[in-house]
Amino acid sequence: NAGVTQTPKFQVLKTGQSMTLQCAQDMNHEYMSWYRQDPGMGLRLIHYSVGAGITDQGEVPNGYNVSRSTTEDFPLRLLSAAPSQTSVYFCASSLRQEGREQYFGPGTRLTVT
Amino acid sequence: KQEVTQIPAALSVPEGENLVLNCSFTDSAIYNLQWFRQDPGKGLTSLLLIQSSQREQTSGRLNASLDKSSGRSTLYIAASQPGDSATYLCAVHGGGGSNYKLTFGKGTLLTVNP
Repeated sequence: NAGVTQTPKFQVLKTGQSMTLQCAQDMNHEYMSWYRQDPGMGLRLIHYSVGAGITDQGEVPNGYNVSRSTTEDFPLRLLSAAPSQTSVYFCASSLRQEGREQYFGPGTRLTVT
Repeated sequence: KQEVTQIPAALSVPEGENLVLNCSFTDSAIYNLQWFRQDPGKGLTSLLLIQSSQREQTSGRLNASLDKSSGRSTLYIAASQPGDSATYLCAVHGGGGSNYKLTFGKGTLLTVNP
């Protein structure tokens, strides 16, 4: 199993550009989520999904869009990038039941200039 | 709202020392608590998962305890090695009205000196 994979590893965007961060998992996990990690702020939940076709907002959803058309993939879209979205983005997955261990991808380091 | 605090923020110890990292959380209605390790510029590696009904978990030189009623967890590292140098993150699942969210502490940066 590859586990949780994320692409790209690094990305530089100009303000106003859009892009999609990819996340995939091969563990048949129902639950997937996106976090951002900023210095001094810790990791914060952006959006999550409990299964194909079901998504919901986390703590910091503004400026981000998600969809979940398959169990395996959970892309995160930045509609119009802003410097405040410069961060490291992590995708995570787990089985749906509460209390299950969560597995994290390697992260995408995004810089918006 | 669930809040997680980790103390100390940074710790520097000589090789071979035993050490304890602390984590506290405000809402005891959690499903589990996970300890992660993060190396600079890397992702999160899960070290130990303690379910809310458990008191401790062990893996090699690591031992994590959970006192859910008091909202505390500790990560004990025995016979520390330079390779243990990393940031250690504590995260709780649930509490604060959120079933699916992990709430993270800001981490403890551990440096083990040869």
